[in-house]
Amino acid sequence: EDKVVQSPLSLVVHEGDTVTLNCSYEVTNFRSLLWYKQEKKAPTFLFMLTSSGIEKKSGRLSSILDKKELFSILNITATQTGDSAIYLCAVGWVDSNYQLIWGAGTKLIIKP
Amino acid sequence: DAGVTQSPTHLIKTRGQQVTLRCSPKSGHDTVSWYQQALGQGPQFIFQYYEEEERQRGNFPDRFSGHQFPNYSSELNVNALLLGDSALYLCASSTDLLNEQYFGPGTRLTVT
Repeated sequence: EDKVVQSPLSLVVHEGDTVTLNCSYEVTNFRSLLWYKQEKKAPTFLFMLTSSGIEKKSGRLSSILDKKELFSILNITATQTGDSAIYLCAVGWVDSNYQLIWGAGTKLIIKP
Repeated sequence: DAGVTQSPTHLIKTRGQQVTLRCSPKSGHDTVSWYQQALGQGPQFIFQYYEEEERQRGNFPDRFSGHQFPNYSSELNVNALLLGDSALYLCASSTDLLNEQYFGPGTRLTVT
């Protein structure tokens, strides 16, 4: 059965800390892995990863994919209270072009 | 450019009633996907519409139905509401499901 597992489920750190969020997957015919940030309602897109070993960066956020070990990590450096959110990972596959499988998310709380 | 819009924002219904949720996609997008997100969970795929047809469906009963109009906007209908249907309903638009999806703010449905 295809699945996406995120860890940890929740994480509490202090401002300025660096965090690493994990997303592992078991999906047939993998095509892409996407990271989203969800604060109050709508998830907002962060990264899409399709190739192994190529880091994507946006400010203090970065992400990398390992297609051999079937996981991705999302790093946030110098965390700020505004980074508090649920971080969602989703994986798409080629056999069915019309679905993403979502992880349950990691709830990140940044304390001042 | 207006992003994805959804209406209403909040809705309270009683068991057995029917509900219609609405979504307008981001300009230039022709594909609309609907998700149900229970508290503390990742989004669960309900179905996707493209060219006014349901292209793919997740594991949801027939009580969940939808429609897409020629202007690409979409409706989600849920009949015979159950308490377990209480959730955040998210609409996402895209031009290719496996590329980034843009989410609307969601509709919070409460069934009492």
